[in-house]
Amino acid sequence: AQKVTQAQTEISVVEKEDVTLDCVYETRDTTYYLFWYKQPPSGELVFLIRRNSFDEQNEISGRYSWNFQKSTSSFNFTITASQVVDSAVYFCALSDTVNTGTASKLTFGTGTRLQVTL
Amino acid sequence: DTGVSQDPRHKITKRGQNVTFRCDPISEHNRLYWYRQTLGQGPEFLTYFQNEAQLEKSRLLSDRFSAERPKGSFSTLEIQRTEQGDSAMYLCASSFSTGGNTIYFGEGSWLTVV
Repeated sequence: AQKVTQAQTEISVVEKEDVTLDCVYETRDTTYYLFWYKQPPSGELVFLIRRNSFDEQNEISGRYSWNFQKSTSSFNFTITASQVVDSAVYFCALSDTVNTGTASKLTFGTGTRLQVTL
Repeated sequence: DTGVSQDPRHKITKRGQNVTFRCDPISEHNRLYWYRQTLGQGPEFLTYFQNEAQLEKSRLLSDRFSAERPKGSFSTLEIQRTEQGDSAMYLCASSFSTGGNTIYFGEGSWLTVV
């Protein structure tokens, strides 16, 4: 069975601080995909990144960066110089590729609520 | 290119009534997914389609729930004889079925059963 754990329920930071959101996953599959989504108060899940299990390169996109480590089954997300607009719930998700070879059914963590204040 | 569209965005219904939600995926996406999200939880998978075919259904999808995608484009999710426990946000998503497919979500449909 697949499982995603986001141990941090809520994090509060002051604007311009760096913050790291943790994600630990469990799967027996050798090929899988990992995702991060942002959910603002409006409710829509906004796609941030997709990573396949064969690509362990870290990625940076503006103030966002991701650290994927298969050895520890972790896919952590760092926001540098946080801003008030980053306030949202962030979800990590895992998809196997069984029977399809591509991402399909997502298993989500319980999310981390990030509050950025002035 | 428009995103995933869901209708209605909010629905309040009395227990025992039937409700139907509609989802229009991103054009050309052949996969369509339904998820349910309750307060404080992550989304839970319900079912997904590839074109017209329903490829997988979660055990969460009781007999009162039915999803269709008759022409491989839009999809409907119907809940019959609603119960208070059905109160949740119902999220639709879509993707391609090939390559490094990214799964995009709509804004969700909030259901309140009173």
